[in-house]
Amino acid sequence: GAGVSQSPRYKVAKRGQDVALRCDPISGHVSLFWYQQALGQGPEFLTYFQNEAQLDKSGLPSDRFFAKRPEGSVSTLKIQRTQQEDSAVYLCASSLGTGLLNTEAFFGQGTRLTVV
Amino acid sequence: KQEVTQIPAALSVPEGENLVLNCSFTDSAIYNLQWFRQDPGKGLTSLLLIQSSQREQTSGRLNASLDKSSGRSTLYIAASQPGDSATYLCAVKSSTGGFKTIFGAGTRLFVKA
Repeated sequence: GAGVSQSPRYKVAKRGQDVALRCDPISGHVSLFWYQQALGQGPEFLTYFQNEAQLDKSGLPSDRFFAKRPEGSVSTLKIQRTQQEDSAVYLCASSLGTGLLNTEAFFGQGTRLTVV
Repeated sequence: KQEVTQIPAALSVPEGENLVLNCSFTDSAIYNLQWFRQDPGKGLTSLLLIQSSQREQTSGRLNASLDKSSGRSTLYIAASQPGDSATYLCAVKSSTGGFKTIFGAGTRLFVKA
């Protein structure tokens, strides 16, 4: 596609519910990143994929957070048993090269998750 | 641990003014530094990417500089316009931070017509 696409744009979940957020990166992009952005803050790194391999998941805040990219393109971020502190905008970014090379990151519009 | 700080947190200027946004980072071992723009409720739009070997990048009315030794970058916006109103984020990819890109909290800019 022309850009990084995320769905849904907005999600309201009841506390304890599981949610799944989807990211369609730019076609051909090797690297894919997930970030969490709290209100008034900069994005914080969650996890990184190089093709289908999850090379860095050090930013995932708890074992309730999972991410996958089984075919090296579309990625899903799943949050189990959502809690109010999970409320944030979840951003996905992709870049053409690998994570350690000097490549530009392109971001999607994000999914705003509200846990009530 | 890499930390990125942006000053000021918010800025309001009249239309036509030239302005400078500041970004500082604690670890000079970086691969690149990127400036983004974020409009309310939107994702991030990349403005400028400066490689670690570069000192500055320019795009239209925007100029970004990088001084790795002092851990600083500035984003210069010439002849500001109301359409420039947005949050500007600085992000650093550290060579010691694995695959992470570390963001500052941003500077909220408002350009008055």
